[in-house]
Amino acid sequence: EVQLQQSGPEVGRPGSSVKISCKASGYTFTDYVMNWVKQSPGQGLEWIGWIDPEYGSTDYAEKFKKKATLTADTSSSTAYIQLSSLTSEDTATYFCARWAYSSPYFDYWGQGVMVTVSS
Amino acid sequence: DVVLTQTPVSLSVTLGDQASISCRSSQSLEYSDGYTYLEWYLQKPGQSPQLLIYGVSNRFSGVPDRFIGSGSGTDFTLKISRVEPEDLGVYYCFQATHDPFTFGSGTKLEIK
Repeated sequence: EVQLQQSGPEVGRPGSSVKISCKASGYTFTDYVMNWVKQSPGQGLEWIGWIDPEYGSTDYAEKFKKKATLTADTSSSTAYIQLSSLTSEDTATYFCARWAYSSPYFDYWGQGVMVTVSS
Repeated sequence: DVVLTQTPVSLSVTLGDQASISCRSSQSLEYSDGYTYLEWYLQKPGQSPQLLIYGVSNRFSGVPDRFIGSGSGTDFTLKISRVEPEDLGVYYCFQATHDPFTFGSGTKLEIK
């Protein structure tokens, strides 16, 4: 059974960083690209970017290039997103979702991680 | 960036009736390989989004045939026939033809 298990809720101080994980199971981790999506409270979905765990290549939406860093650890089948220089605008739920070049859609999603930026 | 404009913003439908959601793109979503990377997702309250339709009109595994996607170029539609209680939530169109990928702003489906 395919699962994307994300880490627990995070609270970060303004100006600090947080790192969220997304552990994949039930499939070959390197066969799929991992995407990340942001959802601010009561708002819609925003695509952040993706990482190809096989090659380590990444792509980001322009507005997240200085905010988010995507990495992946193939030994543990885990993808990560680090959010830096936190501001109140980063308070949101962050989802991971997998995507295959041969099946170009998000067929499995993580449960989402709530990040709260608060002093 | 490609802007996906969804209408209506919200929709109140009687059980058993049809619902229709439009997604209009600021650019054609047909890729150079001929494929159109237009998808529809439903986010039920308190849940992660779930895939309904990919490639404009292909239902994902397990999605009832009440969900019908159509369209081409810049204009796309999701029709839900015979709306059921479990259909409530927010529907998003999404494009992956152009970088960066983008979501529509969402359509909230409520049951009357």
